Amino acid sequence: EIVLTQSPATLSLSPGERATLSCRASQSVSSFLAWYQQKPGQAPRLLIYDASNRATGIPARFSGSGSGTDFTLTISSLEPEDFAVYYCQQRNNWPTFGQGTRLEIK
Amino acid sequence: QVQLVQSGAEVKKPGSSLKVSCKASGGTFSTSAISWVRQAPGQGLEWMGGIIPIFGTTNYAQKFQGRVTITTDESTSTAYMELNSLRSEDTAVYYCASLTMTTVTTGDPYYYYAMDVWGQGTTVTVSS
Repeated sequence: EIVLTQSPATLSLSPGERATLSCRASQSVSSFLAWYQQKPGQAPRLLIYDASNRATGIPARFSGSGSGTDFTLTISSLEPEDFAVYYCQQRNNWPTFGQGTRLEIK
Repeated sequence: QVQLVQSGAEVKKPGSSLKVSCKASGGTFSTSAISWVRQAPGQGLEWMGGIIPIFGTTNYAQKFQGRVTITTDESTSTAYMELNSLRSEDTAVYYCASLTMTTVTTGDPYYYYAMDVWGQGTTVTVSS
């Protein structure tokens, strides 16, 4: 099983700041990495797939990068609605999720 | 646009079985890949398994092998997830989710990924 490790566990930032979230895979997943956002009481929402492709309707301030084992989700300028938990997911072998990064208001 | 609507909250006794439904509308059910993902209170997301109706293939996470069964009823575009021998640790919100932006062309488990449509979740409480 491929293990995805997300860091940091919690990120405290202010609106308008830049957020950088990391996801590291225990072995290469090529570019098959997705990012989701989840707000309290809601289902997850797909943000990014195949490492860098934004899903339909996702604002341009969200971007993804990386390949192999190291991936990054960047939010260029935080909006109040961006404070949530973010998960990465890979598809090589069996699907697995990272443990999540909580993005909180500083 | 595909929508997934799940059945309502359940309270179960330890040792009993659970069956959650997920009804799809607005899209092509048979050529999608349906996953079941659960989330224990305060915890992260856990993929349990999935089904690709057009190929009749099912795949299960090793952790749930032998305890979970995923099926579909194509006449009603509904997927089901049955979990047996429930224990308190199965208390969670159970989601169905689907990759709809790609047409599935094989029964490969690679399609249980980049799930762009999610059900609203079904809260399951296992307690004596």
